[in-house]
Amino acid sequence: EADIYQTPRYLVIGTGKKITLECSQTMGHDKMYWYQQDPGMELHLIHYSYGVNSTEKGDLSSESTVSRIRTEHFPLTLESARPSHTSQYLCASSEGAGDAGELFFGEGSRLTVL
Amino acid sequence: GQNIDQPTEMTATEGAIVQINCTYQTSGFNGLFWYQQHAGEAPTFLSYNVLDGLEEKGRFSSFLSRSKGYSYLLLKELQMKDSASYLCAVLDSNYQLIWGAGTKLIIKP
Repeated sequence: EADIYQTPRYLVIGTGKKITLECSQTMGHDKMYWYQQDPGMELHLIHYSYGVNSTEKGDLSSESTVSRIRTEHFPLTLESARPSHTSQYLCASSEGAGDAGELFFGEGSRLTVL
Repeated sequence: GQNIDQPTEMTATEGAIVQINCTYQTSGFNGLFWYQQHAGEAPTFLSYNVLDGLEEKGRFSSFLSRSKGYSYLLLKELQMKDSASYLCAVLDSNYQLIWGAGTKLIIKP
């Protein structure tokens, strides 16, 4: 059973605010990911990490940053939110040989920037 | 560029069988995944195919043809709870997942 948690589930904030979306997993997975998903659209990878102190940008240009100081924790930060950041953010983790492992997703954080 | 194509929406009747197709054009191939995503929820893993052929798992089966760049997900004995979006994703040569936009499946009584 997957144990990956995201907070907050829903957030409405004003333009220019700094926000951090939290993601934690208790499965000891080395690989963690942040995806952005708009309704009816494909998932876009914005950041990923293959272990502590390892972070990479994904294929979607993003103004967010991530950190991986502990295996279980992979927070995503927006320094200055804009309406274009309004979206659903999904965190995921995996433990698979050769990067072909099944992804376990959190429930998602739905962000609205006014 | 890399591309995953799936039908946007399909409708089927409870108790029937439905096949959801996925075609892909990617730089390399290291496997194909199917995920189920109920509205407002996170995707959950259904299947992984890396070799040609059919993989059966209960009411769900997934088929892959690498030469044709084609996969399908077959759902039998449909239940109302199967109403969801079904996401096809391909692992490319760099082991990055390329996602389709998903197929919304509507089950009618």
